[in-house]
Amino acid sequence: NAGVTQTPKFQVLKTGQSMTLQCAQDMNHNSMYWYRQDPGMGLRLIYYSASEGTTDKGEVPNGYNVSRLNKREFSLRLESAAPSQTSVYFCASSVLGATSSGANVLTFGAGSRLTVL
Amino acid sequence: SQQGEEDPQALSIQEGENATMNCSYKTSINNLQWYRQNSGRGLVHLILIRSNEREKHSGRLRVTLDTSKKSSSLLITASRAADTASYFCATSAGGTSYGKLTFGQGTILTVHP
Repeated sequence: NAGVTQTPKFQVLKTGQSMTLQCAQDMNHNSMYWYRQDPGMGLRLIYYSASEGTTDKGEVPNGYNVSRLNKREFSLRLESAAPSQTSVYFCASSVLGATSSGANVLTFGAGSRLTVL
Repeated sequence: SQQGEEDPQALSIQEGENATMNCSYKTSINNLQWYRQNSGRGLVHLILIRSNEREKHSGRLRVTLDTSKKSSSLLITASRAADTASYFCATSAGGTSYGKLTFGQGTILTVHP
């Protein structure tokens, strides 16, 4: 049981290049999330998907797009990478859906370290 | 802006000692969670405490919540070198924002053998 799988683990881009971070979960979770982690800033939510077919902006969505391809997969795209997007990106999922109530416990992937030169 | 503020930013102790980390938050919450992150890895959920609970235990972990002071603490008893990691609190406001956890900046714990 792999949990949450992110690819790639490492990537170096030049300013202006584009790339997509892939995330897949095999736990039949309803909600999926993309966070970025920067030194001294903790984790900040970029986008989330509360259920298949829906996506919503988080705290820092500018410069990113997402796609909830199906229930398992949630991708994050940088259309024109900037040095400010150098960060570690984490995908997470949770069993809660759009109409669920209760506590929302997240399962995280191992992270993708992105450097934009 | 970050909901949770953690204190201290870094903590260094000897194996066998207890470690206490604190988290303060600004708005009303539905629940508060603690996560651990080992170096170079993703976050792992440790424990959750709901807004109507004051204390919760799980193994060597004890979490307290004081909603009147908008603060929580995580106590790790009899620490081990393997407890070396960063610890984050995360809050959930509930309602329509239930799914969006807001994380603190974390406490880096180093346990020396």
